[in-house]
Amino acid sequence: GAVVSQHPSWVICKSGTSVKIECRSLDFQATTMFWYRQFPKQSLMLMATSNEGSKATYEQGVEKDKFLINHASLTLSTLTVTSAHPEDSSFYICSARGPGVPYEQYFGPGTRLTVT
Amino acid sequence: QKEVEQDPGPLSVPEGAIVSLNCTYSNSAFQYFMWYRQYSRKGPELLMYTYSSGNKEDGRFTAQVDKSSKYISLFIRDSQPSDSATYLCAMSDEDNQGGKLIFGQGTELSVKP
Repeated sequence: GAVVSQHPSWVICKSGTSVKIECRSLDFQATTMFWYRQFPKQSLMLMATSNEGSKATYEQGVEKDKFLINHASLTLSTLTVTSAHPEDSSFYICSARGPGVPYEQYFGPGTRLTVT
Repeated sequence: QKEVEQDPGPLSVPEGAIVSLNCTYSNSAFQYFMWYRQYSRKGPELLMYTYSSGNKEDGRFTAQVDKSSKYISLFIRDSQPSDSATYLCAMSDEDNQGGKLIFGQGTELSVKP
């Protein structure tokens, strides 16, 4: 149980285009999902917290207009990177709060974004 | 000072060794402590979860929390090459913002056959 999927697993896009990444909780309902960014050999940096049916809460320094988050249902959250640039190339990981204790999070497999 | 400090390693041990991974933290309000394992280019996988102080054992893994010292540990017994990964500690407090986790930098572990 407690499986989280992400799609796509790897995407290459041209500078200036937008990319959408999906995060799904497959076997449980996730009222809260989190989006992280991870650079090579570094830890996870929380970008935003997404609650179903409400606006996402962004961490300080994260551009809301660039990283659009939508949590449309209890099993799906999306992250759209708008007008992507090479510096947006990174590993994006989502997590969903699990069905057990409130501070357990289950992570997706990650999406590698490369902007050329 | 970072809220959570973790030695990034890399740490290299022979197969069968006991591995000790550690994190220190500064926020005394932290009550929930997690260890995640992350293989290269994969999402983190929850290994152990502990509430407040004490020990928790699961197979070859033991998690320890010492709140008085603000220090947590993960021990891996009889380490295997398949344990080679990056290990991240994470923690949160009860009043926190809906379960937001604070992560350590991660320790890269290599177990040599």
